[in-house]
Formats: sequence, C-alpha cells, structure tokens
Amino acid sequence: EVQLVESGGDLVQPGGSLRLSCAASGFTFSHYWMTWVRQAPGKGLEWVANIKQDGSEKKYVDSVKGRFTISRDNAQNSLYLQMNSLTAEDTAVYYCARPALIGEVLDYWGQGTLVTVS
Amino acid sequence: DIQMTQSPSSLSASVGDRVTITCRASQTLGSFLNWYQQKSGKAPDLLIYAASSLQTGVPSRFSGSGSGTDFTLTISSLQPEDFASYYCQQSRSHPYTFGQGTKLEIK
Repeated sequence: EVQLVESGGDLVQPGGSLRLSCAASGFTFSHYWMTWVRQAPGKGLEWVANIKQDGSEKKYVDSVKGRFTISRDNAQNSLYLQMNSLTAEDTAVYYCARPALIGEVLDYWGQGTLVTVS
Repeated sequence: DIQMTQSPSSLSASVGDRVTITCRASQTLGSFLNWYQQKSGKAPDLLIYAASSLQTGVPSRFSGSGSGTDFTLTISSLQPEDFASYYCQQSRSHPYTFGQGTKLEIK
C-alpha cells in the first residue's frame, strides 16, 4: 500500500525557516518524480514544486523560487521541502504527492502538514 | 504560466441530480487535464486523468470530457458522498496549475 506521511509543520515567525519531510513507502520511491502542493486555509490547491527521480531537475512555482528548496533522499525514501524567508502568505497545509509514472497526475497524496507563519 | 478557470465556483444540487463543472485553460492543453475531489479536512483524490480516463476505483457516474482549452467534469447522478470540492489541474507544462475549485453543496 502506497503511503506518504508528511511531518515538520509548525508555527514559525515571519522571516523564519522550516523543513518539511515526507516519508514514502509501498512503492519504489526512486522511480518517481515527487511533488509538493499546498492549500492556504479556506483556499484552493497550489502546486509548489517537484523533483525528478534522481534529483537532477527541480521546478518551482514563481512565488517560492529562491526561498524554497525541494530535495530527496532515495536511500531513505524521503522527500523534503526547505522553506526560508517565510511570510504569512506561506501559511498552508503542505501535501506531499506522487505523480503517476507518466505525467504530473497526482495519484497518491499524504495527509498534509500545517505550516503557520505568524 | 497557464491559467485555469473553473465554473461555477459553487453549486447547490440535490441527490440524483446531474451536475457539470467546467474548466477553461488559457492555453491549449491537448488532453493534459486532471480532476480531483477533495472532501472537507482531507487530501484530494484523483478522479479523472488525461481529460477522460477514470481513475481506478472511481464510480462510473463520474466522467470527463474535452480537449484543447475547454473541459468538463460530469456527475451523472449525485450521491450523498459526492458533496465536496472539485479541482481541475493542467499537467501540460510547469507550473502545473490548478483551477480555483468548485464547491458542491447540498440543496
């Protein structure tokens, strides 16, 4: 059974940093791109970043470029999101998601972890 | 970036109703369009991928159609468990943007 479990969400002050983690199991982690999606309270979904299987390609939405860094450790079956220079607009539930083997079709999602910047 | 516009933003309907949600892209997507359902307090679930392919385990009352810039999600006969929010997402190019969502409520 595919499982994605996020952790690391917390209350942080504006300008602060936080590192989110996503522990993956039930599939061959190193075979898949991986993605972060966020959802501000009461708002819609926002695609944040993704990373290629070997970490050689990383893509970001403009609003986090230069502040967030996506990374992975295939030996630990883990995905990370390092978030720096946080602002109130970064307050959201952050989901780790697995795209299907072909295309950015997000077929498995974690339960999410809440980041509050205040 | 590709902008995705869903309509309506909210919708009231009754059990048994047929419901259609539309999604329009600012650039052509081919068939790179996916639909997700999100229930309150939960992570989204994939319903439809590649515009019209039903994800495994999703009831056949859900269907998707369209190509290019205009897409629809149809629920043929609403069930109580279908009252949720629905999002389209383009998977044509980075960043893989979502529509703003449609909240489906009980009338």
